[in-house]
Amino acid sequence: EPEVTQTPSHQVTQMGQEVILRCVPISNHLYFYWYRQILGQKVEFLVSFYNNEISEKSEIFDDQFSVERPDGSNFTLKIRSTKLEDSAMYFCASSGGRASPLHFGNGTRLTVT
Amino acid sequence: DAKTTQPNSMESNEEEPVHLPCNHSTISGTDYIHWYRQLPSQGPEYVIHGLTSNVNNRMASLAIAEDRKSSTLILHRATLRDAAVYYCIPRQTASKLTFGTGTRLQVTL
Repeated sequence: EPEVTQTPSHQVTQMGQEVILRCVPISNHLYFYWYRQILGQKVEFLVSFYNNEISEKSEIFDDQFSVERPDGSNFTLKIRSTKLEDSAMYFCASSGGRASPLHFGNGTRLTVT
Repeated sequence: DAKTTQPNSMESNEEEPVHLPCNHSTISGTDYIHWYRQLPSQGPEYVIHGLTSNVNNRMASLAIAEDRKSSTLILHRATLRDAAVYYCIPRQTASKLTFGTGTRLQVTL
């Protein structure tokens, strides 16, 4: 069964550094999402992306965050200047249609020191 | 987003059926009811969704109340691999999923 893959599985970075989290969505999917989950807390929506533009974003997704689909297969989340509070699991998801279920990757654990 | 209420936790014996309830009294007429689960150290996983009629798939069944203000996810025979947090999420077409705190299901031998 096709799956969403995320790399790296664990990323450690120093405060103030830029990080790029990478995702390969399922190949024929058109809708893409990023979520995060701080340890012990809820899964929180960050951003959705369709037709090469952001469809919706949350308050968390401020100017420090950006998303890109650089080559038609990858979907990336960039955090420009990481803060300690950005430490979390980041999940990518994709969906084949407007009403279709989301398929999630197993996440990247980001640790900011 | 419609507000949902789920028990914080439930327990089941292996091989027994499990009924996971969800109240969503503020659901709008066009919201589908989605269920996802999250196994330990994994991303959320789609389980099932429906609008008005009961739905079955290989993982579970979804029973939706006639007034749509509540639904029940049914696992017909729980296994240890079904231990997870289960989320009930009303969702409008093409919108984001908004996760609550869900129900933590423990399955014991």
